Amino acid sequence: QTVVTQEPSLSVSPGETVTLTCGLSSGSVSPRDYPSWYQQTPGQAPRTLIYNTNTRSFGVPDRFSGSILGNKAALTIAGAQADDESDYYCVLHVGSGISMFGGGTKLTVL
Amino acid sequence: EVQLLESGGGLVQPGGSLRLSCAASGFTFSTYGMSWVRQAPGKGLEWVSVIRGGGDISYADSVRGRFTVSRDNSRNTLYLQMSSLRVEDTAVYYCAKVIRSGWNVANFDYWGQGTLVTVSS
Repeated sequence: QTVVTQEPSLSVSPGETVTLTCGLSSGSVSPRDYPSWYQQTPGQAPRTLIYNTNTRSFGVPDRFSGSILGNKAALTIAGAQADDESDYYCVLHVGSGISMFGGGTKLTVL
Repeated sequence: EVQLLESGGGLVQPGGSLRLSCAASGFTFSTYGMSWVRQAPGKGLEWVSVIRGGGDISYADSVRGRFTVSRDNSRNTLYLQMSSLRVEDTAVYYCAKVIRSGWNVANFDYWGQGTLVTVSS
């Protein structure tokens, strides 16, 4: 049973940088897994931040960047702001047309 | 402007059926994959299914055999037929547009606002 792993929660101080990661229980994450990242605030639909590992979606500030770090996909938020406080989800293509979300990271900015 | 508008949610008894629709506009619907993603109350996102423009389909293990995704490219509409519904299928169901033509991976650029399905007796 493949599982996509994320930190359940992280905190960052305003203006600082934080990195969220997205791992795969079965091994390393690579660009072939098409990592994508979404931001969601309570009661709202998700918003696309990053797709295809490191491409920012329209309107996403360049404070948000995606990469592969070691054996995981990563979302880095530079210069954290109060309104970055949200839930963040990664999703990976795990094969045969099937995708799987991680459990999400609740980011607190304090 | 791209718009995705889900409809068809509601209250249904366990074992029942429901069909969701997602009306799309603002892009060439037939050339893009479309997905369903759900979110149970207080829980995270769960990928449910994808259908390519040409009709290739994949499902999550949790719904395979009970849910059927389809599309009508002439009506620019995506569907999700849900049967043998369980309490654990209770969720907000979102439709989402795959970001690149021909892809079937969960890289989305647009999302609908969601429709709530409640499975309860």
